Amino acid sequence: EIVLTQSPGTLSLSPGERATVSCRTSQSVSSNSLAWYQQKPGQAPRLFIYDTSSRATGIPDRFSGSGSGTDFTLTISRLEPADFAVYYCLHYSGSWTFGQGTKVEI
Amino acid sequence: EVQLVESGGGLVQPGGSLRLSCAASGLILSDHWMHWVRQVPGKGLVWVSRVNSDGRSTIYADSVKGRFTISRDNAKNTVSLQMSSLRADDSAVYYCVATTPSSDYWGQGTLVTVSS
Repeated sequence: EIVLTQSPGTLSLSPGERATVSCRTSQSVSSNSLAWYQQKPGQAPRLFIYDTSSRATGIPDRFSGSGSGTDFTLTISRLEPADFAVYYCLHYSGSWTFGQGTKVEI
Repeated sequence: EVQLVESGGGLVQPGGSLRLSCAASGLILSDHWMHWVRQVPGKGLVWVSRVNSDGRSTIYADSVKGRFTISRDNAKNTVSLQMSSLRADDSAVYYCVATTPSSDYWGQGTLVTVSS
């Protein structure tokens, strides 16, 4: 079973700053099997990035994904107030496995 | 507008059973693989189960294998999760998720509480 480990657990930043969230997998995975979700309190998660680096419909280009093998990154180039939320990475390959989440807070 | 609406959650005693349903509108469910994901309020997301487009292939998380059964009725645009032998650690909000290779849709979730 693949384990996804996100870091940091919490990221404290200000609007306008750059956010970098890491997701490390316990074994090498295909770049076509890594996604990122955003979740705000009281809401269902929302797909932001799929296939490591493809933005989902409607996602602004300040969000980008990168990585390969076991190391993947979600980058938010300039944080806006609406971006403060919890972000999860997801490995999908038949079954799904989520990372534990990273809270991006002000 | 696409909507997924879960129902069937509630309070159940340990060892009991519950059937969750997910009704889809605004999309053709047979075009999507369907998943159930659960989340204890304030905690992380945990994948539960998946059924493929025609319902012939299913897969489960180890924690629910043998106790939960996922099924779908494409004619009715619904997906179900039959849960039995429920335990306290099954308590969570359960989301149904409709997926394609590049998109997905989530319901708003239904709360399951397993407690005596």
